[in-house]
Amino acid sequence: DIQMTQSPSSLSASVGDRVTITCRASQGVVNYVAWFKQKPGKAPESLIHSASKLQAGVPPKFSGSGSGTDFTLTISSLQPEDFATYYCQQYAKYPLTFGQGTQLEIK
Amino acid sequence: EVKLLESGGTLVRPGGSLRLSCAASGFNFQIYGMNWVRQAPGKGLEWVSAFSGDGLTTYFTDSVKGRFSISRDDSNHTLYLHMNTLRAEDTAVYYCARDLWGGYFDSWGRGTLVIVSS
Repeated sequence: DIQMTQSPSSLSASVGDRVTITCRASQGVVNYVAWFKQKPGKAPESLIHSASKLQAGVPPKFSGSGSGTDFTLTISSLQPEDFATYYCQQYAKYPLTFGQGTQLEIK
Repeated sequence: EVKLLESGGTLVRPGGSLRLSCAASGFNFQIYGMNWVRQAPGKGLEWVSAFSGDGLTTYFTDSVKGRFSISRDDSNHTLYLHMNTLRAEDTAVYYCARDLWGGYFDSWGRGTLVIVSS
């Protein structure tokens, strides 16, 4: 199985900050990586697919990059609604696997 | 608008069985792959099972192989997860997710809670 390892596991930031979350795959996944946002008690929301392409309706403050094994999610100009848990996921190969999540908290 | 509505979650005893449903609307259900993803209390997301859009292939995570099955009724736009020999570690919110292509989930339901406990 392909392991997805996110870092950091948690992150404190202030409103207006720019943050970056990284995700490393245990083997190459080309660009078959997605990113999701989840608020407590809510369903996940799709943000990015194909490593860098925004899901329809997602604001461009979210951006993704990477290929092969190393990927990043960057969120600029943090707003209160951005504080949530973020997950990466690979869909290069079954079983599909998620990273363990990065909890983004208000400083 | 794409809508996915899960149902069927409840409290069940270890060793018991349960069937979850996901009612889909707002899109041509029969041409899309569909998935189940779960989240144990306080834990991360775990993919459980997929049914390919061509209706020919199913996939499962190792921990549920032989215990869970997946099916779909395209005429009623409904996806099912048949869960047998349930264990405490199957306790989770189960989400239904649409597969836009090749394992990318673009739409999610709100989830249904399954609790396996005596």
